[in-house]
Formats: sequence, structure tokens, C-alpha cells
Amino acid sequence: GQNIDQPTEMTATEGAIVQINCTYQTSGFNGLFWYQQHAGEAPTFLSYNVLDGLEEKGRFSSFLSRSKGYSYLLLKELQMKDSASYLCAVTGSNYQLIWGAGTKLIIKP
Amino acid sequence: ETGVTQSPTHLIKTRGQQVTLRCSSQSGHNTVSWYQQALGQGPQFIFQYYREEENGRGNFPPRFSGLQFPNYSSELNVNALELDDSALYLCASSLEAGPQETQYFGPGTRLLVL
Repeated sequence: GQNIDQPTEMTATEGAIVQINCTYQTSGFNGLFWYQQHAGEAPTFLSYNVLDGLEEKGRFSSFLSRSKGYSYLLLKELQMKDSASYLCAVTGSNYQLIWGAGTKLIIKP
Repeated sequence: ETGVTQSPTHLIKTRGQQVTLRCSSQSGHNTVSWYQQALGQGPQFIFQYYREEENGRGNFPPRFSGLQFPNYSSELNVNALELDDSALYLCASSLEAGPQETQYFGPGTRLLVL
């Protein structure tokens, strides 16, 4: 079967760093996306990884290891507005996006 | 703002009824995907349309159907509504239909089936 696992909820402090992990088992792999979703809103694109390694984009970085079926999203210098759900999604062999349930990130002052 | 719009924003229906949800793609995008998102869950892929043809379908029954028009706007139709169909319905457009294409989401339609 196809499966994407993420922690349900994480808490971090404003100004700190947090790492959100995602592990996946899919039939085929054509890339991994991270999206941010604020409560009651649509998901917005954060990053895309298809090769192993780290992609850095401002305060956000995303890492991929295809051999381990593993990715993480790293958020630095946390701000209160970063409180949201973070969704990991994998493009499988049929080019369809398979989504994790999301990690709810709570930022405390 | 992604430039993807959906209507209506909210809808209440009763079991057995039919519903049509609409989506207008971002300018220049020829691919639309539809998702169902239950509360506290990730989106579930319903189907994708590329240049007016269905280009993949998730594990949803035939009572979920769709259309894409020449201007690349799209509709999702759901017949014989069930209580479990209550969810947020999201459409997402992309430039093309490839696996690396970023999908840009509309604000969604929240459907409640009573």
C-alpha cells in the first residue's frame, strides 16, 4: 500500500528552529512537495524535492533522502504566523499526489 | 493569492441531492486537479483534467464526475450525496500535467450534507 507518515502535532517557541519529518512508502517516486495550510484556508506551496539533498529557500529548507523514503522541512527563526499545518505530498508512479495527514505546528511566544 | 477561484464558498445539501462545484484556473494553466479534504486530514485526490480530458482518477465512486471546459475552468459534480461527502473540496491548477508541476490551490468549497 501507499503511506505517508508525519507527526500529528508539534509545538515550538517563537524565534526557535523546528524540524518536521515525513516518511513515505509509495509505488514509484516522482518528487516530494511540502505545503503550508492555515486553518480554514487552502494549501500554499513551500518546496519541491526530487533529488537527494537540501533545498534552502529563506527561512524554510527541505531535505530528501530517496533511499530512506524520508524528508524533513526545517523552519528557522519561527514567527507566530508560522502556526499552521504542514503537509507532505509525494508524486507516485501514476503522477498522482499522495498526501500525508499534515503536522499541526503550534508556535508559543 | 493564487489566482484560482472556486464557487460557492459554502454549501448545505441533504442526502440524495446533487451538487456542482466550480473552479476557475490560474491564467495560462491547462491542468486542474480536484481534492476532498476531511477535517484534520490531508487532501484526497479525486481526479485530474488536462486539456479537457480526464487524466487520472483516485479511489472515488462514479457518482463523482467532472468536466473541464475550453477555457480550462472546471466543474466537480457529485450525485446521490451521502453524509460522508461533507468536506472541503479543493481544486488546484498547474501549468502542465507533469509530476514536477506545482499545484496552486483555490480557497475551497465547504460542503455540508445533512
